[in-house]
Amino acid sequence: GAVVSQHPSWVICKSGTSVKIECRSLDFQATTMFWYRQFPKQSLMLMATSNEGSKATYEQGVEKDKFLINHASLTLSTLTVTSAHPEDSSFYICSASQDSIRNIQYFGAGTRLSVL
Amino acid sequence: AQKITQTQPGMFVQEKEAVTLDCTYDTSDQSYGLFWYKQPSSGEMIFLIYQGSYDEQNATEGRYSLNFQKARKSTNLVISASQLGDSAMYFCAMSQNNFNKFYFGSGTKLNVKP
Repeated sequence: GAVVSQHPSWVICKSGTSVKIECRSLDFQATTMFWYRQFPKQSLMLMATSNEGSKATYEQGVEKDKFLINHASLTLSTLTVTSAHPEDSSFYICSASQDSIRNIQYFGAGTRLSVL
Repeated sequence: AQKITQTQPGMFVQEKEAVTLDCTYDTSDQSYGLFWYKQPSSGEMIFLIYQGSYDEQNATEGRYSLNFQKARKSTNLVISASQLGDSAMYFCAMSQNNFNKFYFGSGTKLNVKP
């Protein structure tokens, strides 16, 4: 299957700082990537759809200015949590699809964010 | 409205036995995809198996197979010969609308007992 790399795998930061998470498709090009958030013992919640060369599409209730998404190339999307606060602590995970017919999503390993 | 429903929060199975994880979905689209993912405690999401809405045969991938009943809108995952390493969360998902967004179920935590 396709390989999606996500970095960092975990980060601890102080309240008020910004954190950038990278999502890379290593062996394929992805015009679309997806960012999810997952709370403990819960399912994945889609935050936004990242589109190469254009603005991201955010899900209802997700703050655009809080979660900045940039899809600068066909292999890289970044999620920046701006002015992070403890309530932003969560597991963030990205996905991309190599298969335009079946749309099988391959996921990064996720990033555990802890805001102190 | 809930699109994917997994009614089993937790399941236990004896090692080497088979187990079925339930999933029902709701859509008015004719074309959609159904997926199962495994999430171990490490957090990564591992793709297991896919079923297209137009596929007439049940999908199989090694020890994983689907019991796809289109009229009942269900796509249950069957894991045969369970192994200790199968202990994890299992998520059912669906994509529709030109296969863009994914909708995930709430997950089933499977515990394989030795």
